[in-house]
Amino acid sequence: EAGVTQSPTHLIKTRGQQATLRCSPISGHTSVYWYQQALGLGLQFLLWYDEGEERNRGNFPPRFSGRQFPNYSSELNVNALELEDSALYLCASSPAAVGGLNIQYFGAGTRLSVL
Amino acid sequence: QKEVEQDPGPLSVPEGAIVSLNCTYSNSAFQYFMWYRQYSRKGPELLMYTYSSGNKEDGRFTAQVDKSSKYISLFIRDSQPSDSATYLCAGGDTGGFKTIFGAGTRLFVKA
Repeated sequence: EAGVTQSPTHLIKTRGQQATLRCSPISGHTSVYWYQQALGLGLQFLLWYDEGEERNRGNFPPRFSGRQFPNYSSELNVNALELEDSALYLCASSPAAVGGLNIQYFGAGTRLSVL
Repeated sequence: QKEVEQDPGPLSVPEGAIVSLNCTYSNSAFQYFMWYRQYSRKGPELLMYTYSSGNKEDGRFTAQVDKSSKYISLFIRDSQPSDSATYLCAGGDTGGFKTIFGAGTRLFVKA
């Protein structure tokens, strides 16, 4: 069974540009989460999508946005890129919560470099 | 105060040692806990999750939860150089679908 897949693996942009990152969840998983992991820092929660709806959002500016498609894949868009947006962006998926358990499985990440 | 606190390390041990990785949490709503292993420049890999107080064992790994003291631990027996990675703990809230990660502990196992 395929795990969470993210594309591209690496992305190089210049300041002010827009970046689009993609995520395909594990088959059967309906929730997708996005995290930012800057070098040496922990996981910072960005967004949670479930059944096509945005369920929760972390403490990030509106230029971080995304969506979830009918096939449960997801896209993260970052507009007006800033140097400090350089980080590893991780996508995780989880199945529909059973008994409230929400175990997340991560992809390999997209490394975004803003020059 | 962070909801999940984790000593960043680094923790350096010789091969074959028993490793103890620990986290504390403050949110009483957390009912399940997870441990992830993250190799450099890779995504976190789920090692184990536990739903209640007590121990859960999987091969060389044992996860321990003490809800009375809000303390969670991961023990690695017979540690190997391939265990060198960052270990992340996380707490989950079944009611609010909230998952909070610790900052991670960097582990080095020396051959």
